[in-house]
Amino acid sequence: QKEVEQDPGPLSVPEGAIVSLNCTYSNSAFQYFMWYRQYSRKGPELLMYTYSSGNKEDGRFTAQVDKSSKYISLFIRDSQPSDSATYLCAMRRGAQKLVFGQGTRLTINP
Amino acid sequence: DTEVTQTPKHLVMGMTNKKSLKCEQHMGHRAMYWYKQKAKKPPELMFVYSYEKLSINESVPSRFSPECPNSSLLNLHLHALQPEDSALYLCASSQGILAGVTDTQYFGPGTRLTVL
Repeated sequence: QKEVEQDPGPLSVPEGAIVSLNCTYSNSAFQYFMWYRQYSRKGPELLMYTYSSGNKEDGRFTAQVDKSSKYISLFIRDSQPSDSATYLCAMRRGAQKLVFGQGTRLTINP
Repeated sequence: DTEVTQTPKHLVMGMTNKKSLKCEQHMGHRAMYWYKQKAKKPPELMFVYSYEKLSINESVPSRFSPECPNSSLLNLHLHALQPEDSALYLCASSQGILAGVTDTQYFGPGTRLTVL
């Protein structure tokens, strides 16, 4: 079993829809959670990070962490074609290591 | 400014060539990282430098040789690579261990390497 599970998709939704991206994890020692967005042939771009359980909002993006269920989510409201990318969840293991999910490929159709 | 720069953007090399990838950050970060990313896969950690010293080597073959000349620069020297080493090579930086559990990595755009 992988430490972090993320559905690779692909996920295709119409413009304006609410998108829900999810990761589950097995290691209760994970404390710090990140979402990166990666456009094709580019480096990952940090979208959001959160330390505690609950919700964190930034514009159209909301990151949600439920440590009791070992489940994190990223919601995108009013999705735009420019949101089409691969979304990677990542979690801290140890001082300097990140554990990534497989990434979900998302397409927003105009 | 959270910018990490990498050069070159693209590199094509033969199996007998020697080349170097370069990475630079001016955020005052004290940890720098090299990752390798294959298509449709997440980044895989290769090396970590903390305060200009190599702190993590994820059992990377010796044909990859990292170097950290100063706190802003990170190089990856390449020699006698194999075609299966073709990938996107990503550099990242973060504040370092003093930032504690909330230390956050910022990635560069990557160098797309093709080994013929």
